[in-house]
Amino acid sequence: DGGITQSPKYLFRKEGQNVTLSCEQNLNHDAMYWYRQDPGQGLRLIYYSQIVNDFQKGDIAEGYSVSREKKESFPLTVTSAQKNPTAFYLCASSLRTTHNEQFFGPGTRLTVL
Amino acid sequence: AQTVTQSQPEMSVQEAETVTLSCTYDTSENNYYLFWYKQPPSRQMILVIRQEAYKQQNATENRFSVNFQKAAKSFSLKISDSQLGDTAMYFCAFQNNNAGNMLTFGGGTRLMVKP
Repeated sequence: DGGITQSPKYLFRKEGQNVTLSCEQNLNHDAMYWYRQDPGQGLRLIYYSQIVNDFQKGDIAEGYSVSREKKESFPLTVTSAQKNPTAFYLCASSLRTTHNEQFFGPGTRLTVL
Repeated sequence: AQTVTQSQPEMSVQEAETVTLSCTYDTSENNYYLFWYKQPPSRQMILVIRQEAYKQQNATENRFSVNFQKAAKSFSLKISDSQLGDTAMYFCAFQNNNAGNMLTFGGGTRLMVKP
């Protein structure tokens, strides 16, 4: 079945450590996105990529980094520079053209201990 | 920059009744799209309905319909014959045609359907 997978579902990190969240899609979508969701709040865009080997910062990119070496994959690294990384992280993908629905993965819950 | 506001943090409705969730947005753009997404307790985001700004006719998907008022920049979601499975967070989202495919989300409304 086509879809988006994110792993792991739950992730625990010690302060000062970098951690990488995985996002893979087999929908043949060009565009991919990373969002952060805090309790009781909406989604905020961290990074997005419209094509392989290209990506742009979203509204809250500080303390995060991404890569887009393959069309199917868009991993997100939460660095030690991110001051408050505990949150729910959602990955999404879509066709590049506008008005197209974004399809979301199941999310990763990151907790910093 | 666009902003999306959902003024009702929480709402409840009796099963089989109708409920309307509010959403307003602020933009200087003329061509855009609006979406309602549902996030059930599983936290999987699911598209409920979409509306193209250039269309005057309100979108409808089974029990879900919107009231799109472009001049007022309002985009409310009406759920008819509410079901227990409609219990979820609902997010309104704005997409600017001139800014790729990025979405700006509202803060969400938590809907509880009561038996």
